[in-house]
Amino acid sequence: EAEVAQSPRYKITEKSQAVAFWCDPISGHATLYWYRQILGQGPELLVQFQDESVVDDSQLPKDRFSAERLKGVDSTLKIQPAELGDSAMYLCASNPGTGDREQYFGPGTRLTVT
Amino acid sequence: GEDVEQSLFLSVREGDSSVINCTYTDSSSTYLYWYKQEPGAGLQLLTYIFSNMDMKQDQRLTVLLNKKDKHLSLRIADTQTGDSAIYFCAEGSNSGYALNFGKGTSLLVTP
Repeated sequence: EAEVAQSPRYKITEKSQAVAFWCDPISGHATLYWYRQILGQGPELLVQFQDESVVDDSQLPKDRFSAERLKGVDSTLKIQPAELGDSAMYLCASNPGTGDREQYFGPGTRLTVT
Repeated sequence: GEDVEQSLFLSVREGDSSVINCTYTDSSSTYLYWYKQEPGAGLQLLTYIFSNMDMKQDQRLTVLLNKKDKHLSLRIADTQTGDSAIYFCAEGSNSGYALNFGKGTSLLVTP
């Protein structure tokens, strides 16, 4: 069964350092989402792509976060510089974008900023 | 987005039924979802319901939707220890498909 892949699974970084996460959605899925899940909370949308275009990045802290999906397939989320408050699980999800209402989530990247 | 509210904890005995409740406020929500998250893992979609339905059943899971009261519930029949996890309620609208999640209900199933 096709799955959303994410790497790394775990990342520990010092504050002020740069960090990047990678997501490979299910093949053929046009819509890709990055969510952030702080411990004890539900996931919150950071950015949504339709193919290579950003559809919604209203909740993305653009002074330090950036996201790209250059060829409309895999995606990278970057934080520079990382802050202590960025410690969280970063989840990637994808959806075919053809009316299927299911969002398929990857296993996530657990970020710890020290 | 609008608030999605869930109770934080639920404890049941193995074999009993579990009922997890959720309220939402966005009247434009067209789909409502239940996801399961085990420790350190991503989210697993359990089921979802379209807003023009009032009930959906899938094996041990029953979803009830009261659109007038904006209340959603998930009933798990014959709850097993493997059902122990955090359950998230989420709402989605027709535009964009991005989901708005509650904070999750931690279900503990005891032998």
